[in-house]
Amino acid sequence: KNQVEQSPQSLIILEGKNCTLQCNYTVSPFSNLRWYKQDTGRGPVSLTIMTFSENTKSNGRYTATLDADTKQSSLHITASQLSDSASYICVVSDRGSTLGRLYFGRGTQLTVWP
Amino acid sequence: EADIYQTPRYLVIGTGKKITLECSQTMGHDKMYWYQQDPGMELHLIHYSYGVNSTEKGDLSSESTVSRIRTEHFPLTLESARPSHTSQYLCASSEASGRASDTQYFGPGTRLTVL
Repeated sequence: KNQVEQSPQSLIILEGKNCTLQCNYTVSPFSNLRWYKQDTGRGPVSLTIMTFSENTKSNGRYTATLDADTKQSSLHITASQLSDSASYICVVSDRGSTLGRLYFGRGTQLTVWP
Repeated sequence: EADIYQTPRYLVIGTGKKITLECSQTMGHDKMYWYQQDPGMELHLIHYSYGVNSTEKGDLSSESTVSRIRTEHFPLTLESARPSHTSQYLCASSEASGRASDTQYFGPGTRLTVL
């Protein structure tokens, strides 16, 4: 069964600190992995996308890594800001269909305190 | 910010009422999607469309229906709302290049509460 598991479920950090969110997946055949940021009451917004051959991708203070062998990914946030408070969702796409079916994790709820 | 819009943003309605959730995008995307999301849970695909006059059911069974008469418009209808339909409904769109890497752009969502 194709699944995406994220940890931790929730995380509280102080402004300025770094943090790392984890994602494990069993989706096969693998196509790509995305990290989305979802602010409360809003739709998800794509942060990074990585294919099988990529093992790291940065977007400003966000750096995602991918280990396709162990089927693990992480999202590292550097120098956190209050605006980073959101749910971070790991999304894996398979290449077994033309739709490019997406498998969503439940997200990590990050809260940044001043 | 993606040019995809949903109305209403919030809706509280009584059981048995018919409702239509609107979704429009101005990016000219052929593919559009409806997802259902409960608090703390993952998104579940309930409907998708490859283009005009194309609609398909997603992974999660839903009593809702959709239509795609125009490229930019993908409304979702519930003929008779029930409390079990209470959820957040997210609309998304993507290009139809056929690549699995096409990014889906999400609307802000409609929070539906059925009393």
